[in-house]
Amino acid sequence: DAGVIQSPRHEVTEMGQEVTLRCKPISGHDYLFWYRQTMMRGLELLIYFNNNVPIDDSGMPEDRFSAKMPNASFSTLKIQPSEPRDSAVYFCASSLAQGYNEQFFGPGTRLTVL
Amino acid sequence: AQSVSQHNHHVILSEAASLELGCNYSYGGTVNLFWYVQYPGQHLQLLLKYFSGDPLVKGIKGFEAEFIKSKFSFNLRKPSVQWSDTAEYFCAVRDPVREKLTFGTGTRLTIIP
Repeated sequence: DAGVIQSPRHEVTEMGQEVTLRCKPISGHDYLFWYRQTMMRGLELLIYFNNNVPIDDSGMPEDRFSAKMPNASFSTLKIQPSEPRDSAVYFCASSLAQGYNEQFFGPGTRLTVL
Repeated sequence: AQSVSQHNHHVILSEAASLELGCNYSYGGTVNLFWYVQYPGQHLQLLLKYFSGDPLVKGIKGFEAEFIKSKFSFNLRKPSVQWSDTAEYFCAVRDPVREKLTFGTGTRLTIIP
């Protein structure tokens, strides 16, 4: 398996622009997670899905952030409008159903908002 | 709510030194515990995990961790580090019912050749 795939790997945009990050989980995994990593706050869970349904979005910073999972093999995290404080590395992870399972992380998208 | 504390923010060691990174969590129920490693410029990879059974867990690359329930700790150890162990190490705890992972702030490990 190719692992969790994220695109783009790097994104540079200007403040106010819309940004869309994409994730393809490992085939057969039931859970998908979006994390944000910054120097100041470390790794934060933003939202996670189970069988394409959002379960917990309490980590989403504000209404500018939205996430969707239209099917089992694709998810997006959108920021509109983007702000410089959104600059971070965004990781997607996936795992099998509940049980003795670990989360597998993608390579991340490094977002820079100027 | 769960929380994870990693008190060592940056550790610098010489090659062949022994390593112990601290991890404490706060949660009253059953937990799953993990250590992840992030090598420079790479994504997180699992080093080891504890779900139940033997509290001494062996992981990849010679790492091990010991779950001490009475101390709410899950410290990571390696008897002899190598330069290639330079990375950031994250402890994480999961409520097995909620599936949600909570990470510590990470410990940066620098190994001097």
